Amino acid sequence: DGGITQSPKYLFRKEGQNVTLSCEQNLNHDAMYWYRQDPGQGLRLIYYSQIVNDFQKGDIAEGYSVSREKKESFPLTVTSAQKNPTAFYLCASSPRPRGEQFFGPGTRLTVL
Amino acid sequence: GQQLNQSPQSMFIQEGEDVSMNCTSSSIFNTWLWYKQEPGEGPVLLIALYKAGELTSNGRLTAQFGITRKDSFLNISASIPSDVGIYFCAGYTGTASKLTFGTGTRLQVTL
Repeated sequence: DGGITQSPKYLFRKEGQNVTLSCEQNLNHDAMYWYRQDPGQGLRLIYYSQIVNDFQKGDIAEGYSVSREKKESFPLTVTSAQKNPTAFYLCASSPRPRGEQFFGPGTRLTVL
Repeated sequence: GQQLNQSPQSMFIQEGEDVSMNCTSSSIFNTWLWYKQEPGEGPVLLIALYKAGELTSNGRLTAQFGITRKDSFLNISASIPSDVGIYFCAGYTGTASKLTFGTGTRLQVTL
């Protein structure tokens, strides 16, 4: 089946540890995105990539890092510099820049 | 970043009723997208609109791209319990590569 997968669904980490969230798509989409969603809030863009080996900061990039070494993969690292990392993280992909975005199921990160 | 204004913020309706919600902006948009999100899940794309005045349906859902290009509307006819969720509008403005999201409309359906 074609789609976007995020793993794991739930993730727990201790404060001060870096953690990497996985996002994989087999839709052959060029563009990929990472969003953060807090309870009762909308989506805020962290990073996006329109092509392999290139990515841009979104609105809340501080404390996060990404890589785009393969078209199908766009992992997000939440570093210890992120002051409030507990949130629901959503990955999305799009067949082209400025196209409709399709979302994965999300990863809920809890930092203890 | 900029957010779109969605209204109403929440709606409590009875099964079988029709629902209307809208999204407005001070900027002109080139594309409007409507998503539904259920608790603990990622948003699901419902309808995409690409031209001013465009009216598009997806089953019981109908969405319109406003003539002024600064607003969009979503209607749900004959609501059912599985319509429960949060509905987000989103769009691209100008040459921006980033989607701008609305604040969401929370829909509750009672039997």
